[in-house]
Amino acid sequence: DAGVTQSPTHLIKTRGQHVTLRCSPISGHKSVSWYQQVLGQGPQFIFQYYEKEERGRGNFPDRFSARQFPNYSSELNVNALLLGDSALYLCASSRGLAGGETQYFGPGTRLLVL
Amino acid sequence: GDSVTQMEGPVTLSEEAFLTINCTYTATGYPSLFWYVQYPGEGLQLLLKATKADDKGSNKGFEATYRKETTSFHLEKGSVQVSDSAVYFCALSDLSGGSNYKLTFGKGTLLTVNP
Repeated sequence: DAGVTQSPTHLIKTRGQHVTLRCSPISGHKSVSWYQQVLGQGPQFIFQYYEKEERGRGNFPDRFSARQFPNYSSELNVNALLLGDSALYLCASSRGLAGGETQYFGPGTRLLVL
Repeated sequence: GDSVTQMEGPVTLSEEAFLTINCTYTATGYPSLFWYVQYPGEGLQLLLKATKADDKGSNKGFEATYRKETTSFHLEKGSVQVSDSAVYFCALSDLSGGSNYKLTFGKGTLLTVNP
């Protein structure tokens, strides 16, 4: 079975631009979460979606937005990019929302903002 | 809020040495606990998990026991291999804000195993 896939793998943008990152969950998984991992740190929670509804949002500015589509894939959008947005963006999927559920991570999209 | 504190690295060991990476947590509810591993250039992979007190998670020779009384989930392996070189993250999942089970991660511990 295919794991979580993300595209693109790498991206270079300049300050002020907009970026869209994409994620396809494992087949049968209905929940998608997004995390930001800055170099040398643990991942920080950005969003969680379940059945196309936002179920949680981390401490990120309104420049960050996301959505989930009927096929459970997801997009993360970041507007007005700042240098500090440079990071590895990870998508994770799980079957549902139970606390003990394992979240399976994709390989990430590495974003560099110049 | 929830938080995870894990041993700062880097940790450098010789092959076949014993490994311990300490992890303690603070949570408002009754969390599930996880160890994830990140190999160079890759995403996160689940190593093991435990969902209730005194549960022991184990995988690939790694073990960790959910200790509610000490709010800890220390990772151990009896004999490490060069292939275990990676960054290890301790994480918890708790019902945050009543509507989602986000993962809260520690800062990660870089392990390097030398032949």
